[in-house]
Amino acid sequence: QKEVEQDPGPLSVPEGAIVSLNCTYSNSAFQYFMWYRQYSRKGPELLMYTYSSGNKEDGRFTAQVDKSSKYISLFIRDSQPSDSATYLCAMSANFNKFYFGSGTKLNVKP
Amino acid sequence: DSGVTQTPKHLITATGQRVTLRCSPRSGDLSVYWYQQSLDQGLQFLIQYYNGEERAKGNILERFSAQQFPDLHSELNLSSLELGDSALYFCASSHGTDLAKNIQYFGAGTRLSVL
Repeated sequence: QKEVEQDPGPLSVPEGAIVSLNCTYSNSAFQYFMWYRQYSRKGPELLMYTYSSGNKEDGRFTAQVDKSSKYISLFIRDSQPSDSATYLCAMSANFNKFYFGSGTKLNVKP
Repeated sequence: DSGVTQTPKHLITATGQRVTLRCSPRSGDLSVYWYQQSLDQGLQFLIQYYNGEERAKGNILERFSAQQFPDLHSELNLSSLELGDSALYFCASSHGTDLAKNIQYFGAGTRLSVL
């Protein structure tokens, strides 16, 4: 079983839709949770960072962590074509080793 | 621009050869991480260095090795290359001492093609 599971998609939505991206994990020691966005042939860039459980909002992006269910989500409101990218979840217990999901490819159609 | 510099951008080589990938971290960052990204495996953590010392090891093959130099740049050495080593190799850096500042910033990657 992989440490982190993420649906690879692709996920195709119309512009303006609310997008929900999710990851599940198996290691209860994880307490740092991150979402990265990766455009084609580029390095991942950090979008959101959350410590432990709860919600965090930044503009159109909201990250949720449910440690009891070992489930994290990223919501994108009012999605734009420029949001089209691969979204990677990542998590760590101690900031030494990081575990990434395989990424969900998102396509926002104009 | 993340501030992390990776060279070269592309590398084409043959099976059995050895290559060196280089990474310069962001100014002030002490930690360097190496990752391999292939189509079927996603982003795989290889190894982390902090201020010249190895701190954590992931799924790094014995044919691969890395080091971090006193000026904090890092090199990833891949030897006895196989076709399956073809992938994107990313370097990331972070501050390394304060957890609140320990977010990783990724370079643009080196694309390795083994023919």
